[in-house]
Amino acid sequence: GAGVSQSPSNKVTEKGKDVELRCDPISGHTALYWYRQSLGQGLEFLIYFQGNSAPDKSGLPSDRFSAERTGGSVSTLTIQRTQQEDSAVYLCASSLRQGARNTEAFFGQGTRLTVV
Amino acid sequence: AQTVTQSQPEMSVQEAETVTLSCTYDTSESDYYLFWYKQPPSRQMILVIRQEAYKQQNATENRFSVNFQKAAKSFSLKISDSQLGDAAMYFCAYSRGGSQGNLIFGKGTKLSVKP
Repeated sequence: GAGVSQSPSNKVTEKGKDVELRCDPISGHTALYWYRQSLGQGLEFLIYFQGNSAPDKSGLPSDRFSAERTGGSVSTLTIQRTQQEDSAVYLCASSLRQGARNTEAFFGQGTRLTVV
Repeated sequence: AQTVTQSQPEMSVQEAETVTLSCTYDTSESDYYLFWYKQPPSRQMILVIRQEAYKQQNATENRFSVNFQKAAKSFSLKISDSQLGDAAMYFCAYSRGGSQGNLIFGKGTKLSVKP
């Protein structure tokens, strides 16, 4: 696609429910990144994919968070048993490939998750 | 561990004037990149300017320029001839060389532009 696409744009869910957030990267971009932007916390790195594998999951805040990527394209971030502290904007970015110099990460418009 | 600090939570500038946003960072790496990203209300992060650590010359992009002081680990953004459309959150970010999507962000500076 022309840019990084994320869906849904906004999601309101009840505490304890599971949610899935989707990211469709720019066509041909093999590297994909998830970030969380919380009020007062800034942007935190969550996980990155190179192709379908996730060499760095260090930022996932708990085992309720997981992510997968299939076909080297679309990625899904899943949050199980959501808590109010999970409320944030979840941003996805993609780039040509990890390790390439002079590449740029392009961001989507994010999913605003509200847990009530 | 690498850190990025933006000490100005909010800044204001008059339209057509110049404003400078501050950023300091800490790293023991020699190969790294520094970035300024703009985030308007649409939430999409837009790359404003990028600086490679091994390049001594300060990067410029039209009205945007940086003052990169490597020894002081300082990376400020100057916006000249400010426009109403420049109003946004501005984030300073760091990445290791070859990992330009794996970014460490500062907490941001909210820039207001007064007509």
